[in-house]
Amino acid sequence: NAGVMQNPRHLVRRRGQEARLRCSPMKGHSHVYWYRQLPEEGLKFMVYLQKENIIDESGMPKERFSAEFPKEGPSILRIQQVVRGDSAAYFCASSPYEGYGYTFGSGTRLTVV
Amino acid sequence: TQLLEQSPQFLSIQEGENLTVYCNSSSVFSSLQWYRQEPGEGPVLLVTVVTGGEVKKLKRLTFQFGDARKDSSLHITAAQPGDTGLYLCAGVRKTSYDKVIFGPGTSLSVIP
Repeated sequence: NAGVMQNPRHLVRRRGQEARLRCSPMKGHSHVYWYRQLPEEGLKFMVYLQKENIIDESGMPKERFSAEFPKEGPSILRIQQVVRGDSAAYFCASSPYEGYGYTFGSGTRLTVV
Repeated sequence: TQLLEQSPQFLSIQEGENLTVYCNSSSVFSSLQWYRQEPGEGPVLLVTVVTGGEVKKLKRLTFQFGDARKDSSLHITAAQPGDTGLYLCAGVRKTSYDKVIFGPGTSLSVIP
């Protein structure tokens, strides 16, 4: 069984460009979570999605950030008009139901130059 | 303010030593999870504890959930360099859904 697949593993964007981060959850998992992590820091919750629904986006910046989990295909975290402060590791996790232990992907490391 | 506190924040020990890291909160959780994150990778779930007072062992790692389900500890016996990583506790709390809340982590370095 493939785990949680995130791509790309590394992404470099110039200031003002768009970044699209993809996450395919584990087979059978319908709950997807996105987290952001800065070096030497813990995980910061961003958003929780189920298929076609955003359940909790309380950790998502109000502007420039959006997330979706369509009926078909991977979950996408989209960052528009990136700034240097967006540079971080972004992790996706999935679970078979709420409150259950998460399976994390290997992350996407975004660098804004 | 953090809902979950972890201590110590950083820990550097020699191979073979024992250590304990703590996860504390003023809130009650329905369950608590421990993860280990190695550099450059995502966190990996080690264990979930559900019942107050529960103790679980995973080889040299012993996890305990406090009687009141507000705190937890992780004890490692005879630490090895492969134990190096960021240890994260995460509590499950009922909000509008069963929300998993992560602590800030304890960064462990085991020196050969």
